Amino acid sequence: AQSVTQPDIHITVSEGASLELRCNYSYGATPYLFWYVQSPGQGLQLLLKYFSGDTLVQGIKGFEAEFKRSQSSFNLRKPSVHWSDAAEYFCAVGASGGSYIPTFGRGTSLIVHP
Amino acid sequence: DAGVIQSPRHEVTEMGQEVTLRCKPISGHDYLFWYRQTMMRGLELLIYFNNNVPIDDSGMPEDRFSAKMPNASFSTLKIQPSEPRDSAVYFCASSPREGGYEQYFGPGTRLTVT
Repeated sequence: AQSVTQPDIHITVSEGASLELRCNYSYGATPYLFWYVQSPGQGLQLLLKYFSGDTLVQGIKGFEAEFKRSQSSFNLRKPSVHWSDAAEYFCAVGASGGSYIPTFGRGTSLIVHP
Repeated sequence: DAGVIQSPRHEVTEMGQEVTLRCKPISGHDYLFWYRQTMMRGLELLIYFNNNVPIDDSGMPEDRFSAKMPNASFSTLKIQPSEPRDSAVYFCASSPREGGYEQYFGPGTRLTVT
């Protein structure tokens, strides 16, 4: 069964600083990987996704993520954080074959200091 | 496109009452998902449909919960009778068959059972 671990419950950064949110997954084959963002009082919004090909994927709002098969990781990065990036971030893994049930991590809460 | 539409946005009800949550998925999406989000348990998949047919309802907590999808543009999640522990934010999401199954979430319904 697939699983996702987001080891950091909270991350605090200063506005303008760089950001990296960690995500580790467990899945036997090549997974589909996603990052979603949830702003307060809203639903989840897709930031970016990886299916195959280039392991560095670009997303919306200046985010990018890198798939590293050897480390079973899909970390999210942004070079300069804005105050509006404060939100909850979810990593998710989907099966590339068979029964389709997505698995979400518990989320990482990003706090941005001015 | 208007995105996934959920109603009501907020629901406050007394224990024992019936609650019905509604969802209109994005037109043309083949999959529809119901999730529940709480601080304690995070994001939980309750049930999902493919082409209006329930595929997996193993996440539905009890017989008090039921979900239907009478047509491609409408789904309901019903709780009868409701209990205080059902208080949560309930999300509906839809997904196209193509594109790796990324999900598009509605704004959620915040349910409070007193």
